Amino acid sequence: GENVEQHPSTLSVQEGDSAVIKCTYSDSASNYFPWYKQELGKGPQLIIDIRSNVGEKKDQRIAVTLNKTAKHFSLHITETQPEDSAVYFCALTTDSWGKLQFGAGTQVVVTP
Amino acid sequence: DAGITQSPRYKITETGRQVTLMCHQTWSHSYMFWYRQDLGHGLRLIYYSAAADITDKGEVPDGYVVSRSKTENFPLTLESATRSQTSVYFCASREDSEYSGNTIYFGEGSWLTVV
Repeated sequence: GENVEQHPSTLSVQEGDSAVIKCTYSDSASNYFPWYKQELGKGPQLIIDIRSNVGEKKDQRIAVTLNKTAKHFSLHITETQPEDSAVYFCALTTDSWGKLQFGAGTQVVVTP
Repeated sequence: DAGITQSPRYKITETGRQVTLMCHQTWSHSYMFWYRQDLGHGLRLIYYSAAADITDKGEVPDGYVVSRSKTENFPLTLESATRSQTSVYFCASREDSEYSGNTIYFGEGSWLTVV
């Protein structure tokens, strides 16, 4: 299956600073790139997504960028807050079924 | 709006026993998925379904069986549980609509321990 590499595996930031998580992939047919946030004991929740015909998308403090040529996409969180502490997963699909392939996750810790 | 409901939320079972994890969605979404989550592996697809009576294997299907007799239900059965199947299991669904795109919604998870 598609290989999705996610870095870093852990990220510690001071409140107010920015956090960036990067994912790389190999299949150029990948066409949809969502990011999920998972809080302890809960299911993953979609926070932002981007399609292959768009290079950047923003939603308040969260943004996602996609570089199709280099085959990587990144999640940017600005002005981090303690409630941003969670595990973040990148994912992608390559087929019409929408089956997601996930990265291994990044544990983000925002310290006050 | 209940969304996706998984049951049981927590289960301890013995090696060799059959276990069924239930998944029910209230949206009438066509697509449904089962993922397992293990430390260091992220989420891996076990089985998926495009509609009632249409199912197919994902990345890690061995030891699991699914059925989809009704659109809203997608149970996952471990035929003979093994310790390697100790995991958190997530059910998910996706609407088949050009307007919703590929957005997939997850349930809250079922924590399964096989002893």
